[in-house]
Amino acid sequence: EAGVTQFPSHSVIEKGQTVTLRCDPISGHDNLYWYRRVMGKEIKFLLHFVKESKQDESGMPNNRFLAERTGGTYSTLKVQPAELEDSGVYFCASSPRSSRGTEAFFGQGTRLTVV
Amino acid sequence: TQLLEQSPQFLSIQEGENLTVYCNSSSVFSSLQWYRQEPGEGPVLLVTVVTGGEVKKLKRLTFQFGDARKDSSLHITAAQPGDTGLYLCAGARNNFNKFYFGSGTKLNVKP
Repeated sequence: EAGVTQFPSHSVIEKGQTVTLRCDPISGHDNLYWYRRVMGKEIKFLLHFVKESKQDESGMPNNRFLAERTGGTYSTLKVQPAELEDSGVYFCASSPRSSRGTEAFFGQGTRLTVV
Repeated sequence: TQLLEQSPQFLSIQEGENLTVYCNSSSVFSSLQWYRQEPGEGPVLLVTVVTGGEVKKLKRLTFQFGDARKDSSLHITAAQPGDTGLYLCAGARNNFNKFYFGSGTKLNVKP
């Protein structure tokens, strides 16, 4: 069974540009999460989808970040326009519907560098 | 402020030694997870503990959840070079699917 996959694995963009990160969760997982780690900090929660609905987006840093999960399958995270402080590793994770804060399966992450 | 304080940040030991990593908080968690992360990879779940005082063993790894569900520890017996990696604790509160991560412990086991 395929795990959580993220594209691209690395992205280097200039300040002011737009970047879209993609996450394909494990098939059948209703819960999908985005997390990120910026330099020197711990991994922090961004938002949580249940199927196509945003359950919790309390961790989204500002309105330059837009996450979507059309059809409840894969998700995208768009940063527009990107700023230097957006650099970091963005992780996607998924878990089955039955999960109640007991597990999450992570992708390999997308390393974003804004220059 | 960080909800979960993890210590130590770095640990370099010889093969065969024992070690303990701590994850502490002033908040109560409904569950706590331990992950291991290799460079260029995402965190991989090792174990989940949900009951105060719970102890789980995974080969040479022993995980404990504090009685008050505010802290946890990971103990490795007879460490091996293959144990080298970044160990992360993460907690969920109120059974919600939102994890608070510790900053991680980077373990290096020298042969």
